[in-house]
Amino acid sequence: AQSVAQPEDQVNVAEGNPLTVKCTYSVSGNPYLFWYVQYPNRGLQFLLKYITGDNLVKGSYGFEAEFNKSQTSFHLKKPSALVSDSALYFCAVRDLRANNAGNMLTFGGGTRLMVKP
Amino acid sequence: DTGVSQNPRHKITKRGQNVTFRCDPISEHNRLYWYRQTLGQGPEFLTYFQNEAQLEKSRLLSDRFSAERPKGSFSTLEIQRTEQGDSAMYLCASTRFLGVQETQYFGPGTRLLVL
Repeated sequence: AQSVAQPEDQVNVAEGNPLTVKCTYSVSGNPYLFWYVQYPNRGLQFLLKYITGDNLVKGSYGFEAEFNKSQTSFHLKKPSALVSDSALYFCAVRDLRANNAGNMLTFGGGTRLMVKP
Repeated sequence: DTGVSQNPRHKITKRGQNVTFRCDPISEHNRLYWYRQTLGQGPEFLTYFQNEAQLEKSRLLSDRFSAERPKGSFSTLEIQRTEQGDSAMYLCASTRFLGVQETQYFGPGTRLLVL
């Protein structure tokens, strides 16, 4: 079975400071990893994904994520946080096993990012 | 792309009533997924379609839940005899199937409150 853990319910950071939102995963096969962001009363918005290749993935709005196979982690990062980055962030994994129901995603519980001016 | 749309955005119903939600995927996206998100949790997979075929439905929460995609375009999710525990956000996502490369794009969701 595949699973995702986001160990922090909330991350607080000052505007202009770097931010990190943590994610660890567990899969039987090779993982595909995703980050989505959710603003209030909105659906999930795709930020970035890791498929293969470079361990550092760049995505939308200046976000990036680093895939670490040995630590089974895929932490989301941004060098300089903005107040407008405040939202709920979800990490998700897709297990590449053939019997994964149609490429279903398994999501973590989410991390609320609060960026203060 | 105009994005995934879902209607209604909000639904309040009384326990025991039936409700139906609609999802319109991005044009030419052949896969459509339904997820449920309860308060403080990440989305949970329910079912998915490839074109009009429902290829996985074992994750539907009970036999009160059903979904259709009759013409391979929009989809509906119906909950019969609603219970208070059904209160949640119901999310739809679509993708053009590219094997493992695909990215799912989500709609705004339908928030259900069962009184």
